[in-house]
Amino acid sequence: EAQVTQNPRYLITVTGKKLTVTCSQNMNHEYMSWYRQDPGLGLRQIYYSMNVEVTDKGDVPEGYKVSRKEKRNFPLILESPSPNQTSLYFCASGRGGLGYTFGSGTRLTVV
Amino acid sequence: RKEVEQDPGPFNVPEGATVAFNCTYSNSASQSFFWYRQDCRKEPKLLMSVYSSGNEDGRFTAQLNRASQYISLLIRDSKLSDSATYLCVVNDFSGGYQKVTFGTGTKLQVIP
Repeated sequence: EAQVTQNPRYLITVTGKKLTVTCSQNMNHEYMSWYRQDPGLGLRQIYYSMNVEVTDKGDVPEGYKVSRKEKRNFPLILESPSPNQTSLYFCASGRGGLGYTFGSGTRLTVV
Repeated sequence: RKEVEQDPGPFNVPEGATVAFNCTYSNSASQSFFWYRQDCRKEPKLLMSVYSSGNEDGRFTAQLNRASQYISLLIRDSKLSDSATYLCVVNDFSGGYQKVTFGTGTKLQVIP
């Protein structure tokens, strides 16, 4: 089954404790992206990747890192999480003009 | 001006009604457009792409007006299961750079 898998689904952590949210896709898509969704602000792009070893900032990259060492994986790293990074995160993959498939989301709470 | 703008709603409509949403975008060079559906606390799911000539998928019709820079979604014969938030998405491609911008969504509530 074609899918984008994110883990974990839920995470509660403390300020400053490094964490990684994993994202994996099995559709051989070149394009992958991370978004955060906050009430009233919609989906905002954090980082995206056009291919292996090619990443670029989206609209809200501060406080986040990504890497794309393999085509299928695109982890999101929070080196020192802060409470303002509490949000619902989505990973997506796709092929340009054909639309995108989203993972089920990761609900992160930073206390 | 926001890059992609949608009326947040909510649009409360009775079952069987026809409802239409618009979405405006600011970049005249934008190249591809989509409508997504998002149920509460779930991931967005692709509803349909939007083509210049307009396209239809069952009860759903999408239109693109490049001159006025908006896309629209028409839902006929609304069902209770159509209740969701509808997001418009605009893709910009330029020199190897891809920017994907989501609208904040329009909430639809179909009432029995």
